[in-house]
Amino acid sequence: GENVEQHPSTLSVQEGDSAVIKCTYSDSASNYFPWYKQELGKGPQLIIDIRSNVGEKKDQRIAVTLNKTAKHFSLHITETQPEDSAVYFCAASIGGAQKLVFGQGTRLTINP
Amino acid sequence: NAGVMQNPRHLVRRRGQEARLRCSPMKGHSHVYWYRQLPEEGLKFMVYLQKENIIDESGMPKERFSAEFPKEGPSILRIQQVVRGDSAAYFCASSPDTGEETQYFGPGTRLLVL
Repeated sequence: GENVEQHPSTLSVQEGDSAVIKCTYSDSASNYFPWYKQELGKGPQLIIDIRSNVGEKKDQRIAVTLNKTAKHFSLHITETQPEDSAVYFCAASIGGAQKLVFGQGTRLTINP
Repeated sequence: NAGVMQNPRHLVRRRGQEARLRCSPMKGHSHVYWYRQLPEEGLKFMVYLQKENIIDESGMPKERFSAEFPKEGPSILRIQQVVRGDSAAYFCASSPDTGEETQYFGPGTRLLVL
């Protein structure tokens, strides 16, 4: 069935360094790839998304890259800050439909 | 513009009782999605609804679970005869009437079955 694999499951970086989280997906028809940040006890918050007609998108310290041929996409956070500490989820639309399949999540810890 | 609203935020039920979870989408959004999240796991799609219609319920368990989104009022996720395995966080998301795929999530309802 449709599947999204996310790595690593945990990531610890020093404040100011960069963090990279990678996801792969299985459905060739997927065309929408959002990233969400979830803080403890809260709902997922959309931080950036990318569509299949674009290879890269950037918003201040956050960027996402997409390789449709290899079916993988990555989140890059530069100049990390303590408030970036959270669980990050990637997701992919399935069959061109509205529903999203989520990765297992990455717990990012920024060490001061 | 208020975000997606869910209530209650926390719900405790005993085995065999019914749980009703409510979701009010953002203004201008008529697409609603329900997801379930078990501890330390990602979100799993359950159902996608538009006003008065179930569009995709491929993630809903075949028994005890139902969802609706009436013409007036919030979307309701209903779990009958709850069991301990139903304990989870249930999130609702909504997307705009324009057809844009972006889904905005509510704060979730944390269901605990004793």
